[in-house]
Amino acid sequence: DIQMTQSPSSVSASVGDRVTITCQASQDINNHLNWHQQKPGKGPKLLIYDVSDLETGVPSRFSGGRIGTHFTFTISNLQPEDAATYYCQQYDKIPLTFGGGTKVEIK
Amino acid sequence: EVHLVESGGGLVKPGGSLRLSCAASGLTFINAWMTWVRQAPGKGLEWVGRIKSRAEGGTVDYAGSVKARFTISRDDSKNTLYLQMSGLKTEDTAVYYCATSDMLLYWGQGALVTVSS
Repeated sequence: DIQMTQSPSSVSASVGDRVTITCQASQDINNHLNWHQQKPGKGPKLLIYDVSDLETGVPSRFSGGRIGTHFTFTISNLQPEDAATYYCQQYDKIPLTFGGGTKVEIK
Repeated sequence: EVHLVESGGGLVKPGGSLRLSCAASGLTFINAWMTWVRQAPGKGLEWVGRIKSRAEGGTVDYAGSVKARFTISRDDSKNTLYLQMSGLKTEDTAVYYCATSDMLLYWGQGALVTVSS
């Protein structure tokens, strides 16, 4: 199985800050990497697919990228409604696997 | 707009069975690959399994932790996905989500399954 190592597990930042989360796959996943947002008591929501493509309707302050073997997820200009847990997910091979999640809190 | 609505969750004793349903609308269900993902209380997301469209063979794949106990099926005439769970264990306690394709483009709101004596 492909292991997805996500860090940090939690982050606390102020409104307007920039937050970056990273995810590393245990093997090549051919850029088949998505980022999901989950708010308490709700189902997850796809924000970014294929490393850096923004899903329709998702604010442009969310972005994704890749630096070497690490995939990155960035929230620029953090807003109160961005408080949530974020997960990376690979869909290159079955079983689909997820990172452990990053809880983003607003100071 | 795509809507996925899970139902059928509840409390079941260890060793028992339960069937979840996922009613889909707003998409061409017959062509959709559908996935089940679960989330234990306070934990992360875990893939349960996936069923391909009938046109692509209707093949089903399962996570090792549920293989031989869970069965995924679909009724394209009802736009509904199913998860039949048997031999339930306490560690199967989770919110179960259905989602579309391997990319998990759309998710339902989830159904809580509690396995406890």
